[in-house]
Amino acid sequence: SAVISQKPSRDICQRGTSLTIQCQVDSQVTMMFWYRQQPGQSLTLIATANQGSEATYESGFVIDKFPISRPNLTFSTLTVSNMSPEDSSIYLCSNLDRGLLNTEAFFGQGTRLTVV
Amino acid sequence: AQSVAQPEDQVNVAEGNPLTVKCTYSVSGNPYLFWYVQYPNRGLQFLLKYITGDNLVKGSYGFEAEFNKSQTSFHLKKPSALVSDSALYFCAVRDTGRRALTFGSGTRLQVQP
Repeated sequence: SAVISQKPSRDICQRGTSLTIQCQVDSQVTMMFWYRQQPGQSLTLIATANQGSEATYESGFVIDKFPISRPNLTFSTLTVSNMSPEDSSIYLCSNLDRGLLNTEAFFGQGTRLTVV
Repeated sequence: AQSVAQPEDQVNVAEGNPLTVKCTYSVSGNPYLFWYVQYPNRGLQFLLKYITGDNLVKGSYGFEAEFNKSQTSFHLKKPSALVSDSALYFCAVRDTGRRALTFGSGTRLQVQP
């Protein structure tokens, strides 16, 4: 199983500022994803992080608000820009090894963001 | 489009009793079904999956799940609940057209001593 490390694990930020979350996987993977879990809610996919190209965003999420980088196969960052209290959530990164449909995804421990 | 429904926000069960957490799904092709558990302040942990084959799949911590194609269900079960099983459980689905998982709304399992 893959080990996925995220940092920071939590942060409290002022509105209007930005936070960058880092995600490191301990093995080479072909697909990485970023999810948001709002308080008391399920996980919603923000985007698929593509290595060497722009991320693929889901409906309702835009690059200006959630820029994503993936400079290599094992590392990705998600930035939450110009934050507002509505951005307070847990943000999780996930992998899919070799992009295989029949394999389970693994998740980082999440970044708990509070915007004040 | 794929979707997952978990009809119960919370399930309460006494320790030692069997538990069931319900999940139904909708996909356009063959489903790949997963259960995850989330403990407080932790990420998601994989429990088990159904890909093909036997309808009853076994996973971690004594959990199992039954795939029912005609009812499009994938209910999570455990013969004897433990207090330490208390957590938030998510059912998720992937179909052949999409690599990312789609999650249900989650069910909070509370096991009383």
